[in-house]
Amino acid sequence: DVKVTQSSRYLVKRTGEKVFLECVQDMDHENMFWYRQDPGLGLRLIYFSYDVKMKEKGDIPEGYSVSREKKERFSLILESASTNQTSMYLCASSHLYGYTFGSGTRLTVV
Amino acid sequence: SQQGEEDPQALSIQEGENATMNCSYKTSINNLQWYRQNSGRGLVHLILIRSNEREKHSGRLRVTLDTSKKSSSLLITASRAADTASYFCATEKTQAGTALIFGKGTTLSVSS
Repeated sequence: DVKVTQSSRYLVKRTGEKVFLECVQDMDHENMFWYRQDPGLGLRLIYFSYDVKMKEKGDIPEGYSVSREKKERFSLILESASTNQTSMYLCASSHLYGYTFGSGTRLTVV
Repeated sequence: SQQGEEDPQALSIQEGENATMNCSYKTSINNLQWYRQNSGRGLVHLILIRSNEREKHSGRLRVTLDTSKKSSSLLITASRAADTASYFCATEKTQAGTALIFGKGTTLSVSS
């Protein structure tokens, strides 16, 4: 089974901090994605990547950046965390039949 | 950009009953997928139906797709308490280089 691992289940950070959310997949998938999930808004796409060192903006990239130095790892970076970035962050990698998601990181910015 | 919209937003049924959720979308698609999310966890892929398919089954799940109406339905038969979760439809557009677009989900509650 494909496994997508997000490094933290819960994270509390202070406003203005630089935050790194890590995601690793173990099936050599080329495509990886970051979504955030908020009540009433569903899942919204932040960034995705189709290959190493490649990235594409999703619907809500403002305030975020990403890094894909190795195929298995896709990092989401909050350059200067703000309270409106408090959310559940979900990483996924894709295969022929759909996406495999990690368990999510619930980030609280105080 | 919201592509899929599920209906209803919330559904409460008794064990053994069937649950039907609907999804509407706006643009041409390659495929439509359904996912389940248990509270506070990641999403789990349930089923994928391609644009040239009309119906697909997987265990107690039945998915239909009507591309002329841009809609899909997910039927869970003989529901169980363990089916309690949120269900999302997601569409892959025909435009190359795009990611799945998810709806806001239907919250299903199955009581015993």
